[in-house]
Amino acid sequence: TQLLEQSPQFLSIQEGENLTVYCNSSSVFSSLQWYRQEPGEGPVLLVTVVTGGEVKKLKRLTFQFGDARKDSSLHITAAQTGDTGLYLCAGVETSYDKVIFGPGTSLSVIP
Amino acid sequence: EAGVTQSPTHLIKTRGQQATLRCSPISGHTSVYWYQQALGLGLQFLLWYDEGEERNRGNFPPRFSGRQFPNYSSELNVNALELEDSALYLCASSPDGLYNEKLFFGSGTQLSVL
Repeated sequence: TQLLEQSPQFLSIQEGENLTVYCNSSSVFSSLQWYRQEPGEGPVLLVTVVTGGEVKKLKRLTFQFGDARKDSSLHITAAQTGDTGLYLCAGVETSYDKVIFGPGTSLSVIP
Repeated sequence: EAGVTQSPTHLIKTRGQQATLRCSPISGHTSVYWYQQALGLGLQFLLWYDEGEERNRGNFPPRFSGRQFPNYSSELNVNALELEDSALYLCASSPDGLYNEKLFFGSGTQLSVL
């Protein structure tokens, strides 16, 4: 079974600061996804990255897929309180029969 | 368009009882996935149903089972409940397995085993 690791586990920053969270695996995935989950809700898909080296931007969020398709990063510029939540990375296995989730990074943005 | 709906929102059971959780996918979605999210453990894959068939199963004991109905809704059954089964159970749907690589999640059922 392929595993995903995320770092840091917890992150608390002031509004306006920048941050980067990481997702790593020893295995290759078909694609990597990033989700955000708020308390009492299910995860919501933010982005899917498919090609090694791919960079996608979603307003203040920048997602990058590693060249070897084993790792990814999420960078948030000028964090806002609305960015608070649990950020999950997930890998679609090459057999397309399962999505594996990392343990998540819990982000708290303080006003 | 209605999203993925799960019921009940909360469920309290005692050890040894059985729990039944229900999920209605987005209209037109044929695949349903079940995940367990225990505190501090992240989302653990339980089951995948597509077109009424079980397509894949995670590393959980047989007392975790389910089914998918002709209207693509799904049911997760947990028999002989144990304290460690306490968790948020999330259901997700997708229109065509994982080939379009999008999962849409419901808000979950919070199961508490006392």
